[in-house]
Amino acid sequence: DAGVIQSPRHEVTEMGQEVTLRCKPISGHDYLFWYRQTMMRGLELLIYFNNNVPIDDSGMPEDRFSAKMPNASFSTLKIQPSEPRDSAVYFCASRPGGASYEQYFGPGTRLTVT
Amino acid sequence: KNEVEQSPQNLTAQEGEFITINCSYSVGISALHWLQQHPGGGIVSLFMLSSGKKKHGRLIATINIQEKHSSLHITASHPRDSAVYICAVGGGGADGLTFGKGTHLIIQP
Repeated sequence: DAGVIQSPRHEVTEMGQEVTLRCKPISGHDYLFWYRQTMMRGLELLIYFNNNVPIDDSGMPEDRFSAKMPNASFSTLKIQPSEPRDSAVYFCASRPGGASYEQYFGPGTRLTVT
Repeated sequence: KNEVEQSPQNLTAQEGEFITINCSYSVGISALHWLQQHPGGGIVSLFMLSSGKKKHGRLIATINIQEKHSSLHITASHPRDSAVYICAVGGGGADGLTFGKGTHLIIQP
């Protein structure tokens, strides 16, 4: 398996623009997680899905952030409008269902908002 | 919400030294993870454990559930071990991970 795939790997955009980050989880994994990493706050959970259903979005910073998982092999994280404080590395991770808790991380998307 | 504390935040050591990184958490968990992140950003899972001890090569991870504490040890450290090591906990009703701030390790030749 190719592992968790994220695109783009780098994104530079201007404040106010819409940004869409994409993730393809490992085939057969039931859970998908979106995390954000900043220098100030470290790694934080934004939202996670179980079988394509959002379970916990309490980490989503505000209404400018939204996430979808239309099917088992694709998820998006959208920021609209983007702000400079959204600059961070966004990681997607997936894991199997049941009692297998190990998570597999994608390479991350480095977002810079100017 | 679980609070995860790691120590030390930064550690510089000489090649060959025995390294210990500590992690403590505040709420009962299903599993504790040790992650490694090299400059350039990719995150690799080193260990996931819920009890006892695990060993992989020169790396050893232990956990004490009663004390809510885990340690990551590196024996015969090498410059390629230089990275950020992150402790993360999950479970206890939450499936997402809660992370420590990480330990920035530098091994000098």
